[in-house]
Amino acid sequence: EAEVAQSPRYKITEKSQAVAFWCDPISGHATLYWYRQILGQGPELLVQFQDESVVDDSQLPKDRFSAERLKGVDSTLKIQPAELGDSAMYLCASSFHYQETQYFGPGTRLLVL
Amino acid sequence: AQTVTQSQPEMSVQEAETVTLSCTYDTSESNYYLFWYKQPPSRQMILVIRQEAYKQQNATENRFSVNFQKAAKSFSLKISDSQLGDTAMYFCAFMKHGGNTPLVFGKGTRLSVIA
Repeated sequence: EAEVAQSPRYKITEKSQAVAFWCDPISGHATLYWYRQILGQGPELLVQFQDESVVDDSQLPKDRFSAERLKGVDSTLKIQPAELGDSAMYLCASSFHYQETQYFGPGTRLLVL
Repeated sequence: AQTVTQSQPEMSVQEAETVTLSCTYDTSESNYYLFWYKQPPSRQMILVIRQEAYKQQNATENRFSVNFQKAAKSFSLKISDSQLGDTAMYFCAFMKHGGNTPLVFGKGTRLSVIA
């Protein structure tokens, strides 16, 4: 069964360093989402791609976060510089179409010291 | 803006028993989708069940069923014959119909199934 892949699974970094997360969606899925999940909370959308285009990044802190999906397949989420408050689980999800069911990857757990 | 409320932070149930998780939502939309997702400890989130608001019939998936009350804006999940593998965080989520709209999640309910 096809799955969403994410790496790394865990990342520990120091404040002010740069970090990057990678996501490979299910093959053929045009829509890709990055969510942030703070411990004890539900996920919140950071950015949504339709193919290679950003369709919603209203909740992305653009002074430090960036996201790209250059060829409309895999995607990278970057944080520079990382802050203590960025410690969270970063989830990637994909769907065949933007109104279809979203399938989630295992997530990257980030700890900023 | 849409909001999703899960009023039970934690619940427990004996193996083989039935448990119901509550979810309410607030929206002015008439057409939308509702979901229950399960997030087991240290494992990825998976879809449990999906309901289209225009369908009056409640969705079911094996031991999982929902009670969708559109007028009351309520969407509860019933798990029958609970199994140890049902232990997880359960998230209720809302998605507006039409356009590029994200999932809006509740804060989750931690369910423990006890042997």
